[in-house]
Amino acid sequence: GAVVSQHPSWVICKSGTSVKIECRSLDFQATTMFWYRQFPKQSLMLMATSNEGSKATYEQGVEKDKFLINHASLTLSTLTVTSAHPEDSSFYICSARSDLDGYTFGSGTRLTVV
Amino acid sequence: GDSVTQMEGPVTLSEEAFLTINCTYTATGYPSLFWYVQYPGEGLQLLLKATKADDKGSNKGFEATYRKETTSFHLEKGSVQVSDSAVYFCALNLGSNYQLIWGAGTKLIIKP
Repeated sequence: GAVVSQHPSWVICKSGTSVKIECRSLDFQATTMFWYRQFPKQSLMLMATSNEGSKATYEQGVEKDKFLINHASLTLSTLTVTSAHPEDSSFYICSARSDLDGYTFGSGTRLTVV
Repeated sequence: GDSVTQMEGPVTLSEEAFLTINCTYTATGYPSLFWYVQYPGEGLQLLLKATKADDKGSNKGFEATYRKETTSFHLEKGSVQVSDSAVYFCALNLGSNYQLIWGAGTKLIIKP
């Protein structure tokens, strides 16, 4: 079946630094990729939707300059958390969608900003 | 607007008990309905889905039937195991922009 690889699975960074999270569809081409954020004991919050080769569409309240999304190919999307602060600590999950396989989720990235 | 409502957790059951996690939805069109499961420390996995009314999704002993008349998609399992302990999310998709709309999640704890 379809597999989405998300790296890193966890990262600890210092406040003020930037962190890049990668999301790759391994055996299919993802027409659309989604980035979610999950707070403890809460549901997923959609941050942005990206289509290959075009700018991401951000949800209301999500700072596009802080959460940079690049979807340069049909198999790779990246989320960069710029100038991270402790309140950015969270669990980030990507999802890739294809017409054949529907939605496939990455295993998530636990970001801790200290 | 479109939304998904799940029963609040945590739900705590003994092994081999019958499980029901309620899910109801509000949608302007004809959504596809999904159940996803998140095991501790892991990402989301699709558990089952149904794309039209009266469809029954099933997987790993779990079942859910798309009930248009009650706008529900309740998750059931006849005999739960400790390994079923996880957070379960109900979600819908209307297809227009491929976004999933999520319920809040229900944490399931199965005790031996």
